[in-house]
Amino acid sequence: GQNIDQPTEMTATEGAIVQINCTYQTSGFNGLFWYQQHAGEAPTFLSYNVLDGLEEKGRFSSFLSRSKGYSYLLLKELQMKDSASYLCAVSDSNYQLIWGAGTKLIIKP
Amino acid sequence: GAVVSQHPSWVICKSGTSVKIECRSLDFQATTMFWYRQFPKQSLMLMATSNEGSKATYEQGVEKDKFLINHASLTLSTLTVTSAHPEDSSFYICSAYPGLAGGPVRETQYFGPGTRLLVL
Repeated sequence: GQNIDQPTEMTATEGAIVQINCTYQTSGFNGLFWYQQHAGEAPTFLSYNVLDGLEEKGRFSSFLSRSKGYSYLLLKELQMKDSASYLCAVSDSNYQLIWGAGTKLIIKP
Repeated sequence: GAVVSQHPSWVICKSGTSVKIECRSLDFQATTMFWYRQFPKQSLMLMATSNEGSKATYEQGVEKDKFLINHASLTLSTLTVTSAHPEDSSFYICSAYPGLAGGPVRETQYFGPGTRLLVL
C-alpha cells in the first residue's frame, strides 16, 4: 500500500531551527509537496521537490532523497506564527496526491 | 497567487437537510477541482476529483449519491451533502488546479479556505 510517515507533533523554541521529516512509500513518484496548515484553515503551499537535493526559499528549505524515500522541511529563525501543522504530500504514478497525517509544530517563547 | 473562495465558511444544520458548498476560482480557470474532507487531527482525505464539464470521479468509500458534485464552469464547483447526518460533520476543503487531473502536477493545487459543517 501507499504510506506517508511524519511525526505527529514537535516542539521548538522561538528563534531556533527545526527539521520535520517525511518518509514515503508510494507506487511511483512525481514530486513531493510541503504545505502549512494553521488550525481551522486550509493548507497553503510551501514547496515542491521532484529532484534530489535542497530547495531553499527564505526561512524554509525542503530536501528530497528519492532513493531513500525521504524528505525534510527545515524551518529557520522560528517565529510564533510558524506554529501550525505541516503536511507532506507525494504525487504518485497516477499524479494523485497521497497525504501524510501532518506534523503539529508547537513554538514556545 | 491564485485565489480560491469557498462559501459558506460555517454551516450548522439539522439532520436530514441538504447543504450546498460552493468553490470558486477567482483569478484563474480551474480545469480540475478537488474536494477534500478533514476530521480533527487527521490528514486531508480526497473525496472526489472533477474536471469541468464531465462527471466527478469519486474515491473508494465515498457515496456519489450522497455527495453530489457539479463542476459546471471553469470557475465554479459545488458540493451538495444530501440528507446530512451528524457523522457528516467535518471540515470540507476544495482546491482548484489549472491543469487536468491525471496529468503532471508541476504546480500546486490552490486551496479554498474551507467550510466547517456541523450537523445536529
